[in-house]
Amino acid sequence: GAGVSQTPSNKVTEKGKYVELRCDPISGHTALYWYRQSLGQGPEFLIYFQGTGAADDSGLPNDRFFAVRPEGSVSTLKIQRTERGDSAVYLCASSLLGGSGANVLTFGAGSRLTVL
Amino acid sequence: DQQVKQNSPSLSVQEGRISILNCDYTNSMFDYFLWYKKYPAEGPTFLISISSIKDKNEDGRFTVFLNKSAKHLSLHIVPSQPGDSAVYFCAASPNTNAGKSTFGDGTTLTVKP
Repeated sequence: GAGVSQTPSNKVTEKGKYVELRCDPISGHTALYWYRQSLGQGPEFLIYFQGTGAADDSGLPNDRFFAVRPEGSVSTLKIQRTERGDSAVYLCASSLLGGSGANVLTFGAGSRLTVL
Repeated sequence: DQQVKQNSPSLSVQEGRISILNCDYTNSMFDYFLWYKKYPAEGPTFLISISSIKDKNEDGRFTVFLNKSAKHLSLHIVPSQPGDSAVYFCAASPNTNAGKSTFGDGTTLTVKP
């Protein structure tokens, strides 16, 4: 597709449930990033993929959060035992390059997660 | 401790005037700085960037200034247009991964006709 696509755009779930958020990056972009944006704050880095592997997962807040990118394209962010504090907009971004060197992120519109 | 700070949550300017958005950072490892613009219900979109080896970068109506000694950067928009009304995020990255950015909390710019 022309841009980064994220589904669902909105997800409402109950505390304790499992959630999956999907990201379809720009075709050919090898680097994929997940960010989380809480209300009134800027995006916060979660994890970065270069190809199929998670090159940097230092931003994942705890082991309830996990992400995969099995074929080096689509990525899924998985959240187990959701808590109310997980409510945020989850942003996915992709770029042509990864690692060192200047590269610009193209963001999707985000998946808004609300945990009741 | 926030490593990237945008101390003005909001800014209002008249159409045609200059908009100046400010950003401060604390981490000396940051090597690359970016500004993103965000409209409601959309993801941030890249606006302009600057490498630490420069002190100014210009792209049309947008200019970013970097003062490394003060750990301060600013975005100038001249002339401001109503369509520039959005949330502006300052972001900083280490050279090891320019995509792994630390963002400020944003400044909401309103340009009045």
